[in-house]
Amino acid sequence: EAGVAQSPRYKIIEKRQSVAFWCNPISGHATLYWYQQILGQGPKLLIQFQNNGVVDDSQLPKDRFSAERLKGVDSTLKIQPAKLEDSAVYLCASSLDRQSSYNSPLHFGNGTRLTVT
Amino acid sequence: GQSLEQPSEVTAVEGAIVQINCTYQTSGFYGLSWYQQHDGGAPTFLSYNGLDGLEETGRFSSFLSRSDSYGYLLLQELQMKDSASYFCAPENGFQKLVFGTGTRLLVSP
Repeated sequence: EAGVAQSPRYKIIEKRQSVAFWCNPISGHATLYWYQQILGQGPKLLIQFQNNGVVDDSQLPKDRFSAERLKGVDSTLKIQPAKLEDSAVYLCASSLDRQSSYNSPLHFGNGTRLTVT
Repeated sequence: GQSLEQPSEVTAVEGAIVQINCTYQTSGFYGLSWYQQHDGGAPTFLSYNGLDGLEETGRFSSFLSRSDSYGYLLLQELQMKDSASYFCAPENGFQKLVFGTGTRLLVSP
């Protein structure tokens, strides 16, 4: 099966600019996640979708970050305006359903490496 | 509150066995997942423990003790390609995984 696709692979922007990331999950996966991974740390959940509805966005900095998953398939994550501390890898993941990690682990994309200067 | 502890780094030689421990404190615990991440790569799923005991998948095994809030990942017959970061990730029941800072495993010849 094709994996989780993300683009762009790398992005360099100046602070206060805006940026958008795109994710196409594995076909048939209902749950989609955006994680932020700062260098040397583990992934931190930003937002979780079930189909096109938000399940958890408690750790999303909503004053500058937004995400949508129209039609319950592709998703975009936007940052506006960016800050220096947003420099990180933004990982998208998908899973088959929300019942348990036993039979539906997370499948991650290769991420977008964002550098804010 | 939530807390997660893993060793920051472990070193071993090829062919050896290494154990990466994980202690956690979360609300609504359902299970413990393990993920591997090579530098510059995506995290990939290794194992999941929903019940106490040992789960074996090839050279990798994972163990969970719910009463002790403790788990470990056991890697046998280490190979150079096993050099990577390993994350334990408790699940609170909604596939919301909490990742710690991970354990960096360095395998030398």
